[in-house]
Amino acid sequence: AQTVTQSQPEMSVQEAETVTLSCTYDTSESDYYLFWYKQPPSRQMILVIRQEAYKQQNATENRFSVNFQKAAKSFSLKISDSQLGDAAMYFCAYPKGISSGSARQLTFGSGTQLTVLP
Amino acid sequence: EAGVVQSPRYKIIEKKQPVAFWCNPISGHNTLYWYRQNLGQGPELLIRYENEEAVDDSQLPKDRFSAERLKGVDSTLKIQPAELGDSAVYLCASSPGAGGADYGYTFGSGTRLTVV
Repeated sequence: AQTVTQSQPEMSVQEAETVTLSCTYDTSESDYYLFWYKQPPSRQMILVIRQEAYKQQNATENRFSVNFQKAAKSFSLKISDSQLGDAAMYFCAYPKGISSGSARQLTFGSGTQLTVLP
Repeated sequence: EAGVVQSPRYKIIEKKQPVAFWCNPISGHNTLYWYRQNLGQGPELLIRYENEEAVDDSQLPKDRFSAERLKGVDSTLKIQPAELGDSAVYLCASSPGAGGADYGYTFGSGTRLTVV
């Protein structure tokens, strides 16, 4: 079963507008972390924002914020005042144990390609 | 501070040939990860090192893939022989310790492998 699901393969937004990227995940844990990474054409995965599940307050980093709905296992990313430099592939990620007793590893969704239109 | 450094950036080889990728993690980061990213998909873990020990290689196709991390610093990932399906981006990441998954990793820029 897929742990992290991103149902929007592609999204576009007009420059200066707001866009929301969706992510759902599956876990039986109560305390965990969630991440959004950005991957521009340079291929380097860049950490955008991190949310701690035990915190009710949604994380915010400048123009980037999340809408974390723990009961619904939903973790969406909102980008405000979109800029041309925001164009990239965005991945939602969750630390998941690959095997019993193993330390957790970041497990990624399939990504959303964001295009910013001038 | 230098980030995670990978080389080469690009590699094109014929099928059945060997290929190797190199990664230098951030200084002091004990945990190193190799991920494979197929076109249009998210990265998938191949192997994780704690210092020089491979502590999770359950996702590594051991018939043709091998990896090493001598002295617990640099790491090399090798494919021999390469197949057409191995065409992908190979990403290296590092974190200060085993709990790095809870804090996020630092990634390199990856090696794009094309097998023809």
